[in-house]
Amino acid sequence: AQSVTQPDIHITVSEGASLELRCNYSYGATPYLFWYVQSPGQGLQLLLKYFSGDTLVQGIKGFEAEFKRSQSSFNLRKPSVHWSDAAEYFCAVRNSGNTPLVFGKGTRLSVIA
Amino acid sequence: DAGVTQSPTHLIKTRGQQVTLRCSPKSGHDTVSWYQQALGQGPQFIFQYYEEEERQRGNFPDRFSGHQFPNYSSELNVNALLLGDSALYLCASSFKDRDITPLHFGNGTRLTVT
Repeated sequence: AQSVTQPDIHITVSEGASLELRCNYSYGATPYLFWYVQSPGQGLQLLLKYFSGDTLVQGIKGFEAEFKRSQSSFNLRKPSVHWSDAAEYFCAVRNSGNTPLVFGKGTRLSVIA
Repeated sequence: DAGVTQSPTHLIKTRGQQVTLRCSPKSGHDTVSWYQQALGQGPQFIFQYYEEEERQRGNFPDRFSGHQFPNYSSELNVNALLLGDSALYLCASSFKDRDITPLHFGNGTRLTVT
């Protein structure tokens, strides 16, 4: 069965600092990978997705993620964090065939001045 | 272009009661999935509806049931509510025949069972 691990429950960064959120997945074939963001009391907004091709994908709000097959990872990065980036971030995986998304437990990002 | 809409936004029920949550998919989408998100957890897949039938189901008891209407909107029903059913219930929509369509989520219904 597929699984997603987000090792960091909570991360605090200073505004303007760089950010990397970790995600590891367990799946036999090449998965479809996603990062979603959730603000308090809100639903999930898609930041970016990887299906195939270039392993570095660009998303909205200045985020990017890199797929590393050898490490089964899909880490999310941002070069300069803004206070509005404070939220919960979820990594998710699924295979082909419109199968259900499997989510990690999320990483809560706090941004300090 | 309306996104995924869910109603109600909040709901308080008592143990043993039944609840119905509603979802309208994003315009043009034909597949609806429901997820349960407990506090501090990631969303867990409940089931998926396409062509008015349940197509896939996660590890949830039969107390959780659903329906999809001809206009693609959907309902989630939970019977015999337990305290542990308290959660944010998220609806997501997509295209069935587009394998690489990402899910679009609504803002959820916050269910509190007392």
